[in-house]
Amino acid sequence: DVKVTQSSRYLVKRTGEKVFLECVQDMDHENMFWYRQDPGLGLRLIYFSYDVKMKEKGDIPEGYSVSREKKERFSLILESASTNQTSMYLCASSSGQTYNSPLHFGNGTRLTVT
Amino acid sequence: SQKIEQNSEALNIQEGKTATLTCNYTNYSPAYLQWYRQDPGRGPVFLLLIRENEKEKRKERLKVTFDTTLKQSLFHITASQPADSATYLCALSTNAGKSTFGDGTTLTVKP
Repeated sequence: DVKVTQSSRYLVKRTGEKVFLECVQDMDHENMFWYRQDPGLGLRLIYFSYDVKMKEKGDIPEGYSVSREKKERFSLILESASTNQTSMYLCASSSGQTYNSPLHFGNGTRLTVT
Repeated sequence: SQKIEQNSEALNIQEGKTATLTCNYTNYSPAYLQWYRQDPGRGPVFLLLIRENEKEKRKERLKVTFDTTLKQSLFHITASQPADSATYLCALSTNAGKSTFGDGTTLTVKP
């Protein structure tokens, strides 16, 4: 079974701090994604990556950056955290072998920015 | 702009009945559509995928239909059980693998 592991379940950070959210998958998947989930807004795609060192902007990339130095690891970076970035962050991966591979999600990181 | 609407925020049904959840979309031409289940405090879990040229897909008690003319997918759970209580998300995907999610419908199955 695919396992997607997010480093923290809960995080509390202060406004202006630099925040790193880490995600690791163990199935050698090519594709990795970062979403945020907010009530009434659903899951929104922040960034995604189809390969090591590659990244693509999703629908709401502002205020975020990502890093993919190794195939299994995809990091989301909040350069200067703000209160409107308080949210549930979900990492996902999928196989790049077929275009319609389902997403495998981690259990999320609930980030609170005070 | 692209829009995905899932029916009513919450759906309550009696155990044993069929639950029907709706996913409508506009300004989108998806290559395929997926349904996920999400339990509180957990990430979504994949259930079913249906391609644009398929009308219907089944898996055990689950059935999904996809009507690209109506721009609608229906998700059915037959013989529902309290353990089916969860939030169900539909996601529309392009051939590039990028998925857009609806806000979800919370289903409660009462014993």
